[in-house]
Order: sequence, then structure tokens, then C-alpha cells
Amino acid sequence: DIQLTQSPSSLSASVGDRVTMTCRASQNIISYLNWYQQRPGKAPKLLVYSASTLQSGVPSRFSGSGSGTVFTLTISTLQPEDFGIYYCQQSYSGPFTFGPGTRVDIK
Amino acid sequence: QVQLVQSGAELKKPGASMKVSCKASGYIFTDYSIHWVRQAPGQRLEWMGWVNAGDGDTNYSQRFQGRVTITRDTSAMTAYLELRSLKSEDTAVYYCTRRPRGHITYFEFWGQGTLVTVSS
Repeated sequence: DIQLTQSPSSLSASVGDRVTMTCRASQNIISYLNWYQQRPGKAPKLLVYSASTLQSGVPSRFSGSGSGTVFTLTISTLQPEDFGIYYCQQSYSGPFTFGPGTRVDIK
Repeated sequence: QVQLVQSGAELKKPGASMKVSCKASGYIFTDYSIHWVRQAPGQRLEWMGWVNAGDGDTNYSQRFQGRVTITRDTSAMTAYLELRSLKSEDTAVYYCTRRPRGHITYFEFWGQGTLVTVSS
């Protein structure tokens, strides 16, 4: 199975800050990497697919980049509603594994 | 609009079976596959398998092989997840999610989740 790790495991930032988080894959997954946001008690929400394609309706302050084994999700200007846990997920091969998440708190 | 509505919470004893449903609306059910993902308390998301709603073809994570069955009823526009021989470690929220058409897998629509608690 392809393993995903995420860093940092948690971060606390202020509204307006630029936030970046990283996802690393245990092997080359080209660009088959997706990002989700999950708020407490809610289902995950798709933010970015294929490493850098913004899902329809997702604010443009979110952006994804990377290829191969290292990927990043950036929030350009953190908003109060951006709290939650951010998960990466690979779709290169089954089983479609998820990372452990990065928890984002608003200071 | 696309909606996936799941059945309600369940309490099961160890060794029992569970069956969670996922009713779809707002799109042509047979044009897409439905995947199941679970999340144990405080844990990461875990993909379990999928069903092609059109032809009923399935694929499961090896981790659940032999214990899991995913089916669909096209007339009811509903997919089902059955998990047998339940253990306490199967306590989790179970989500159904829809994958888009095409060759790229990502999960764009999600059900609200169903909490299954396994306890004696």
C-alpha cells in the first residue's frame, strides 16, 4: 500500500496568515493526489484534486502543488472558517489511502 | 443537486453484522460508482471499497476482504455496505461517497456519515 505522511500534524495561525502544509507519498504517485477539509462532526469536503485542480466552488485562496512524492496545500489568506483537519489522499493505486491529517486552528 | 443520504446510527455486538445504506438523488445513479470510507474515532479516513452502480462490479480493500460486501439496488438508487464479524475496532463513522466519471479517482460528494458502535 502507498503510505502518506503529512506535516505539520497541527498548526495555529491568525486570520490573514499564509498557511502551507505538506503531504509526502511513499512512492511516486505522479499527480494523483487529492486534498480534503474536514470540520468536526462533518463529512470531508473536496478542495483540490489531481494535485492542483481546484474543485468547483472552493475559494481561490486554496491552492495545491507538487508531483511525484511531495505535495503542498496552501491557504493564501487564512479565514475563520478554514479551521479543521486537512487530509491528503492518493488515487494512484488501490487501496486509496489517506494521510493522517494536519489540524488547523485559528488563533 | 446531488445528495447522498445514509441510514441511521447502529449499535452492534461483537461478531454481528452491520448493513448501512446510502440513498442517492439528483443524478443518474447508474452513471457513477459509490465508494465507502470509514473513520474510527480520532483516526484518519480509511477507504473500504466501491461498487459500480451501473453493472454492480465491486472492488474491496484487501484489509476487509472476506468480511465486506458492497451492493446496489438501481431501482431504489441505493448502495449498501455490509460488514460481518464485527469487532470493537470496527467502531467508526462510515461514509458513502461518489467518484466522478473518468479515469481520475477523487470523492466529490459525501453522505452525512453513519456511526456504527460495536460493543458488548
